[in-house]
Amino acid sequence: GQSLEQPSEVTAVEGAIVQINCTYQTSGFYGLSWYQQHDGGAPTFLSYNALDGLEETGRFSSFLSRSDSYGYLLLQELQMKDSASYFCAVRTGSARQLTFGSGTQLTVLP
Amino acid sequence: DTAVSQTPKYLVTQMGNDKSIKCEQNLGHDTMYWYKQDSKKFLKIMFSYNNKELIINETVPNRFSPKSPDKAHLNLHINSLELGDSAVYFCASSQGSSGVYNEQFFGPGTRLTVL
Repeated sequence: GQSLEQPSEVTAVEGAIVQINCTYQTSGFYGLSWYQQHDGGAPTFLSYNALDGLEETGRFSSFLSRSDSYGYLLLQELQMKDSASYFCAVRTGSARQLTFGSGTQLTVLP
Repeated sequence: DTAVSQTPKYLVTQMGNDKSIKCEQNLGHDTMYWYKQDSKKFLKIMFSYNNKELIINETVPNRFSPKSPDKAHLNLHINSLELGDSAVYFCASSQGSSGVYNEQFFGPGTRLTVL
């Protein structure tokens, strides 16, 4: 089966940089995705890494190391609206379905 | 325009009842999913359909039965509801199950409460 580990909570102040780590154990790995979910809302896609390295999208970047079964989401210039849960998810299996981690609750303080 | 919509948004019902949740996507995607998110926010896939064909069927009680009348719709019927079924159910869609990005678009969720 698949297992993913990410911190349950992270707290940072506005303007800061925060890194949310994700380690995984899986077979048939195709890639690592990140999703954001605000309280009461739906998960929304942030990024996807299929290959090693850093992908940058605005204030958010995502990194993957397949050899280390590790990835992270980097959020820069934090804003209050970034307070949300962040999920890493691996794509595996013949249908390449997503298996989600348990989520990291990010709280951004003023 | 709403990309992935679900009805109802809230569902409160008694144990033992049967209920359905409907999902529609207007993105032209060919793959749709049902996820269950529990009170600890753990998000777990239940089913996936590709072009109306079931391709993922995780360990879910037989009381849950998905139905896809066409590739834009994926409904979830639940028989004999139990207290443990209380959760938020999300529908999602993506363009293909093996696309390069496989970004999934989620509906707003249906909060099911079983009393």
